[in-house]
Formats: sequence, C-alpha cells, structure tokens
Amino acid sequence: EIVLTQSPGTLSLSPGERATLSCRASQSVSSSYLAWYQQKPGQAPRLLIYGASSRATGIPDRFSGSGSGTDFTLTISRLEPEDFAVYYCQQYGSSQFTFGPGTKVDIK
Amino acid sequence: EVQLVESGGVVVQPGGSLRLSCAASGFTFDDYTMHWVRQAPGKGLEWVSLISWDGGSTYYADSVKGRFTISRDNSKNSLYLQMNSLRTEDTALYYCAKAHRIESSGCPFDYWGQGTLVTVSS
Repeated sequence: EIVLTQSPGTLSLSPGERATLSCRASQSVSSSYLAWYQQKPGQAPRLLIYGASSRATGIPDRFSGSGSGTDFTLTISRLEPEDFAVYYCQQYGSSQFTFGPGTKVDIK
Repeated sequence: EVQLVESGGVVVQPGGSLRLSCAASGFTFDDYTMHWVRQAPGKGLEWVSLISWDGGSTYYADSVKGRFTISRDNSKNSLYLQMNSLRTEDTALYYCAKAHRIESSGCPFDYWGQGTLVTVSS
C-alpha cells in the first residue's frame, strides 16, 4: 500500500499570499495518478487537480499541481478568502486508493 | 446536474449491521465506477470500497474486507454498502463518490454526496 505524507500539517497565511503544499509518497505513484482535493467545514471534498497537474472542471487557474514519482506539490498562487480549507492528496490505482492526512490552510 | 444522496446512517451497537444507500442522478449511472469513502469525526478521508460500472469488480480497504459488501442496482441508479460486524472504529461520515472517467476505476472522484453518519456505540 502506498502511504502518503503531507506537509506542513498547518499553513498559516494571509489572503493574497502564495501557498505551497507538499505530498510525498512511500513509493512511486504510477503514471502520476495523484489528485488533490479541497474540503471546507461541513462540506464534501471537491476535486481540484488530477493526473498531478490537470485542473478539474471549474477550478480557478490560481490552483496548480506539479511533481512526479514520489514528490508532488499543490500551489495556490494568491490565496482568496474562500481558499482557506483542508487539502488532501490522493493516489488512485485501479484497485486501491489512499489519501494523505491533509494540510490545513488557515488565516494568519 | 449530478447529485448523489446518501441515506441509512444511524446509531448501531457494536457487532450490528447496517445498509447504506446512495441515490444517483444527473449522469448515466451504469457508465461509472462508484466508491464509498468515510471520514471519522475530526479526521481525514479513508477510501472504503469501489464497484465497477457493471458490478463485475469490487475492491475493499483492508480495514473493512470481509465485513462490508458493496453492490449496485443500475436499474435503480443506486449504490449500496452492507456493513456487518460493526466496530466502534467504523464510526464515520460515509460518502458515496463518482469516478471521474467513464468505464474506468483508475481515476479520481469528481462528485461526492453530502454523506450519511454512522455511529457505532453501545
């Protein structure tokens, strides 16, 4: 099973700042089958990025993903008030799926 | 508009059983793999199980293997999760989620329901 580690656990930033979130896998993620989700309190997760770098439908271009192998990054270029949330990375295979523990982005 | 609506969550005693349902609309249900994902109170996301678009393939997390059974009824656009031998650690909000690509299991989840709460407690 691929184990995902996310850092930092909490990121305290101000609106307008750049956020850089890291996701590291215990072994190589094949074909960059890595996704990022955003979850706000009381809401279901929302798909942001898939295939490590492709934005899902309707996701603003301030969100970008990069990386391959075992190291992946989600970048939010300029934080908007609605971006303060928890972010999870996920690796998806054909039969097993794992999530990272999450990074909380909160208002400084 | 894609909609996923879960139901069936209740308070149940350890060792008990429960069946969750997810009613789907707004897309061609029998074209997509479906998943159950859970989230314990205040915790992260845990994938539970998947069933392929035609019901021919099912997979489970090790934590629920042998206790939970996923199924679907494509004629009713519905997904199910039969949960047996429930443990306190199964307490969570259970989401159903739709695969991102048609007739594919190796892809992320692009739509989620709002979840149904299962509490296992004596």
